[in-house]
Amino acid sequence: AQKVTQAQTEISVVEKEDVTLDCVYETRDTTYYLFWYKQPPSGELVFLIRRNSFDEQNEISGRYSWNFQKSTSSFNFTITASQVVDSAVYFCALSSGGGADGLTFGKGTHLIIQP
Amino acid sequence: SQTIHQWPATLVQPVGSPLSLECTVEGTSNPNLYWYRQAAGRGLQLLFYSVGIGQISSEVPQNLSASRPQDRQFILSSKKLLLSDSGFYLCAWSVIGRNNQPQHFGDGTRLSIL
Repeated sequence: AQKVTQAQTEISVVEKEDVTLDCVYETRDTTYYLFWYKQPPSGELVFLIRRNSFDEQNEISGRYSWNFQKSTSSFNFTITASQVVDSAVYFCALSSGGGADGLTFGKGTHLIIQP
Repeated sequence: SQTIHQWPATLVQPVGSPLSLECTVEGTSNPNLYWYRQAAGRGLQLLFYSVGIGQISSEVPQNLSASRPQDRQFILSSKKLLLSDSGFYLCAWSVIGRNNQPQHFGDGTRLSIL
């Protein structure tokens, strides 16, 4: 069975601080995909990034960066110079390489950026 | 571009009443379709997914059911709602294929059972 653990239930930082959201996953598949989604207060889920199990290169997109390490089964997300608009619940998710049976989500991390 | 519509946005229903939530996708063909539920303070739980018309797979046995009468239409139903059915329901679609495709979500339906 697959599992995604986001141990940080809630994080609160002051604007402009850097913050890292942790994600640890479990899967028996050799091919799998990892995702991060953002859920602002309005409720919709916004896709941020996808990473496949064969690509361990870290990725940077503006103030966002992702660190994928297969050795520790982690896919952490860092926001640099956080802004109030970054306040949201962030979900890490995992899918297996075969089939179309959907995503396994972590319970999410509620990120609060204080002005 | 592709868009996904869910309605209603909010719904208040008494225990034991029926339910019908609808989701439609525009701008794509043969999408994979999904229904998730998010209980308060918890992550998303996959309820149903569909890879084609009339093809429904259930992840969690419960009093909910899903149907896909048309290629881009996905309906979540119940004959008799329970208090435990309260939550935030999200429909999602992805490009046909395997799980490597990101899923794109609708705005969700907040369902309250009284």
